Amino acid sequence: DTGVSQDPRHKITKRGQNVTFRCDPISEHNRLYWYRQTLGQGPEFLTYFQNEAQLEKSRLLSDRFSAERPKGSFSTLEIQRTEQGDSAMYLCASSLGTGRSTNEKLFFGSGTQLSVL
Amino acid sequence: AQTVTQSQPEMSVQEAETVTLSCTYDTSENNYYLFWYKQPPSRQMILVIRQEAYKQQNATENRFSVNFQKAAKSFSLKISDSQLGDTAMYFCAFMSTNTGNQFYFGTGTSLTVIP
Repeated sequence: DTGVSQDPRHKITKRGQNVTFRCDPISEHNRLYWYRQTLGQGPEFLTYFQNEAQLEKSRLLSDRFSAERPKGSFSTLEIQRTEQGDSAMYLCASSLGTGRSTNEKLFFGSGTQLSVL
Repeated sequence: AQTVTQSQPEMSVQEAETVTLSCTYDTSENNYYLFWYKQPPSRQMILVIRQEAYKQQNATENRFSVNFQKAAKSFSLKISDSQLGDTAMYFCAFMSTNTGNQFYFGTGTSLTVIP
């Protein structure tokens, strides 16, 4: 078990460009979450998957954002036509998601720091 | 909507002393879970401690313990024998199965342990 991994760790892009981030959850985890965190704030929920199904999306997730988890394993988060306001840390987390919440805990990756110039 | 409030943006404590971080939350749910996460300068979020709302006994993990007051909707974290490695942002979080197992986070408390 290598934990949740995210790639890349840092991304610098120009406004208007598209970016894609990848998250590999802990292998037996069914549930995968994306959060956004700006400096001095707590993580804000963006979306989550139960296996390959995207079950919920936050209103923070504009049409420029899309997330996929095609085979219920890794996930990608794409931001199209990036804006300076998209600059943030994008955190991925996973949990067992077996339906028995007694064991639910979030395990986080190290995040992808996005800077839009 | 569930809200989590951490009213102490910054705190400091002398090494080896004890410090308590406050957290309050608002929910109409009866069954839920509360967490404290630590985020050191490396930015990796690490689970510190977890509390089930249906358990009256306060959770304890080594030097970390909580004071869970369900009626008051309060969930404070006590760190005993503070160590330099405890310096980090601490986030309180709430999760309920009735809200889709979403985790809601507070704005965090920045803790500095002074040598």
